[in-house]
Formats: sequence, C-alpha cells, structure tokens
Amino acid sequence: DGGITQSPKYLFRKEGQNVTLSCEQNLNHDAMYWYRQDPGQGLRLIYYSQIVNDFQKGDIAEGYSVSREKKESFPLTVTSAQKNPTAFYLCASSLAGTGFYEQYFGPGTRLTVT
Amino acid sequence: AQTVTQSQPEMSVQEAETVTLSCTYDTSESDYYLFWYKQPPSRQMILVIRQEAYKQQNATENRFSVNFQKAAKSFSLKISDSQLGDAAMYFCAYRREYKLSFGAGTTVTVRA
Repeated sequence: DGGITQSPKYLFRKEGQNVTLSCEQNLNHDAMYWYRQDPGQGLRLIYYSQIVNDFQKGDIAEGYSVSREKKESFPLTVTSAQKNPTAFYLCASSLAGTGFYEQYFGPGTRLTVT
Repeated sequence: AQTVTQSQPEMSVQEAETVTLSCTYDTSESDYYLFWYKQPPSRQMILVIRQEAYKQQNATENRFSVNFQKAAKSFSLKISDSQLGDAAMYFCAYRREYKLSFGAGTTVTVRA
C-alpha cells in the first residue's frame, strides 16, 4: 500500500525540549510538505522540499527546522524557540513541479507541550 | 501568503438535501489551481475536487461540483444528495506554483 506515515500519532513534551516528528512516504514523490493546524484555522505551511537536500521556508517557519536527506523522509524538528508548539501537524507529498498535482496527506501528529 | 476566505464557519444540511459552501480568494495571478479538501473526524485530509483556473468548465466529481467564477475570485462547492458520511470540515485551497494556501474551513453537519 502506498501512502504517507507519520509517527507517533500523539506526542507529549515538556517545554524547552526539542522534538522531532517523523514523516515517511512510499509514493515516490519528490515534493514533501509540513503544515500546522490550529483550532479554527486552516492549514499553514511550515516548510517544503521539492528535491532531496533542498528545502524552503513556508509561511510560519520560525522555531522549526527540517532535513531532507532521503527522498522518502522529511522529518520536522520543533525547537524550544517555537513559542506555541502545541498543535496538529500534517505532512504531505506530491509530484514535483508546478503542474496540476494533488497533495497527499498523512494521518497527522498531535503534539502537546506543557 | 495568498488569502483564502471561507465565510461560513458552520453549515447544516438535511440528509439527501443540497448544501453549498462558499470560498473566495485573493490573487493577481491568472494561472493557478483550486482545491476542496475534506477532513472527517479522523483528521485525514482527503481531496474532494480540483479546478484549473484556465478552464472555464466547472469541475464535477459524483455528488460534488464547483461553481468557479474567475473574475469574482469565487470557488464554491456544492454537495448534492448529502449523506451522513459527508459530515466533516471542508477546506478550500489555492495553489500557485509550489505553495498551497488554505481557508479556515467550514464544518458541515448532516442531519438524519
């Protein structure tokens, strides 16, 4: 089965700790994305990557970091610099380029920081 | 970031009836793509329908159809013959090049 895996589903951390969210896809997509979802708001783009070893900041990149060492993996680190990290995080992937491509989403990770 | 506005936070529809969700967007571009995504209680995002801006014809997918008004920058979604499984949050999204911008969503409740 092709798809996107995000783990874990729920994650709890203490304030001041960095935490890494996993995202793996076996769709052979070149492009991958990270979004944040807060109650009452739509998804907001954190980072995206069109190719291995390259990534760009989205609209709300402050306090986050990513890496793209493998085509199938795009982990997101929420650092202690992120002021309000508690949120639902969604990873997505798509074919690269500017064509009429659908983004496929993973099941999400709910991060709670106390 | 592009602005996508969904002015209806919540909509309720009787089973088998029709409901229309509104979406407007702000852009100065002529070449872009528009999408409607569904997020059920499981929170899995599912593509419902998509539209290319250069196509005049409105997209249709089974019971889902759009009314795309390019000059008005409007992209509404019509759900016909509503079913209980249609209950979800619906997001309108605008895509230009690599970036997808989402509206705040409309929660659809289906009454049996």
